[in-house]
Amino acid sequence: DAGVTQSPTHLIKTRGQQVTLRCSPKSGHDTVSWYQQALGQGPQFIFQYYEEEERQRGNFPDRFSGHQYPNYSSELNVNALLLGDSALYLCASSLTVSGVNEQFFGPGTRLTVL
Amino acid sequence: SQKIEQNSEALNIQEGKTATLTCNYTNYSPAYLQWYRQDPGRGPVFLLLIRENEKEKRKERLKVTFDTTLKQSLFHITASQPADSATYLCALDDSSASKIIFGSGTRLSIRP
Repeated sequence: DAGVTQSPTHLIKTRGQQVTLRCSPKSGHDTVSWYQQALGQGPQFIFQYYEEEERQRGNFPDRFSGHQYPNYSSELNVNALLLGDSALYLCASSLTVSGVNEQFFGPGTRLTVL
Repeated sequence: SQKIEQNSEALNIQEGKTATLTCNYTNYSPAYLQWYRQDPGRGPVFLLLIRENEKEKRKERLKVTFDTTLKQSLFHITASQPADSATYLCALDDSSASKIIFGSGTRLSIRP
């Protein structure tokens, strides 16, 4: 059983460009959350997708958008990249049961903005 | 303001001793709290979850306590080993917003 997978593993972009990151959830999971983790910090919640809709959103600008497909896979899009967007982007999948979200994380995508 | 704080950025422990990590929160009323382990360049790995009505939970050498009065969780690793060296993150559910909030983590080093 494959766990959460993310692609690509590393990415280098320049300011102003756009980027798309991809995530496949753990088999059987229906919910995908995206996090941004700066060096030395904990993951910061970006948003969560469930049933192909954005269910919750953290304090991130509209430049950050996402999508969830019928097979539960998800994309994170970031437009007009800034230097400060350089971080590890983590995808986590879960199965929302009894209101408890035990999350399984992927290995992350390391984004560098030059 | 709402905060979740882990007691220190780094903790150095002699092998065999018990490591104790602290997580304090302010202005949250979590229904549960989670602890994760993160190795460099990897995603966090779930370790334990403790609910608000549970005082203590154990898993092998790990023990977590949750005091909703003190607004604090303690994470213990007994008989620590160098392989336990990693960053440990606490996370709570912000039930008002249906999302999980992470602390900044504590980097634990176990020296032989």
